[in-house]
Amino acid sequence: ETGVTQSPTHLIKTRGQQVTLRCSSQSGHNTVSWYQQALGQGPQFIFQYYREEENGRGNFPPRFSGLQFPNYSSELNVNALELDDSALYLCASSPARDGSYGYTFGSGTRLTVV
Amino acid sequence: GIQVEQSPPDLILQEGANSTLRCNFSDSVNNLQWFHQNPWGQLINLFYIPSGTKQNGRLSATTVATERYSLLYISSSQTTDSGVYFCAVPKRTGTASKLTFGTGTRLQVTL
Repeated sequence: ETGVTQSPTHLIKTRGQQVTLRCSSQSGHNTVSWYQQALGQGPQFIFQYYREEENGRGNFPPRFSGLQFPNYSSELNVNALELDDSALYLCASSPARDGSYGYTFGSGTRLTVV
Repeated sequence: GIQVEQSPPDLILQEGANSTLRCNFSDSVNNLQWFHQNPWGQLINLFYIPSGTKQNGRLSATTVATERYSLLYISSSQTTDSGVYFCAVPKRTGTASKLTFGTGTRLQVTL
């Protein structure tokens, strides 16, 4: 069974730019969620996608958007980057959208905004 | 929303020692996961444990859902056990489910 893979592993962007982060879900998992983890904090829920549609969102502004593709891979897009967007971004996949079978996380993308 | 608290916040152990990490949650849950975040940031799933006890090598976990807590036991600790341990519970938000993470326990195992 394949795990969850994310790319790139590290990224440096300038304030105001746009960024796209990518995630390949574990085989058979139709649900993907994205989390932001600031330094020294626990991960915070950004949004969840199920069968290519966003079906839940945390307390993040609209400049955070996503896509899920038919093969269940997904993207997180962030527009108009701000310094506070610097964080570790984690993708998690699950075989059920209610989380009843748990989540598998990727190794994350560390984004630095300068 | 649900509150998830972990204790202790920080723990320093000598290699070979045992430890117990605790996770308290404020509302009923239908499952719970324990994760280990290594120094490189990767969140590694340790246990999916809605109730009862599970063991995996030197690690074991117990969840008592009716009393709203879970325990993670680490025996014969090794330096590779260092990192941050999170418990997390899923809560429904509309048709989605989001994980709410605890405050974490930062473990350092020394030689």
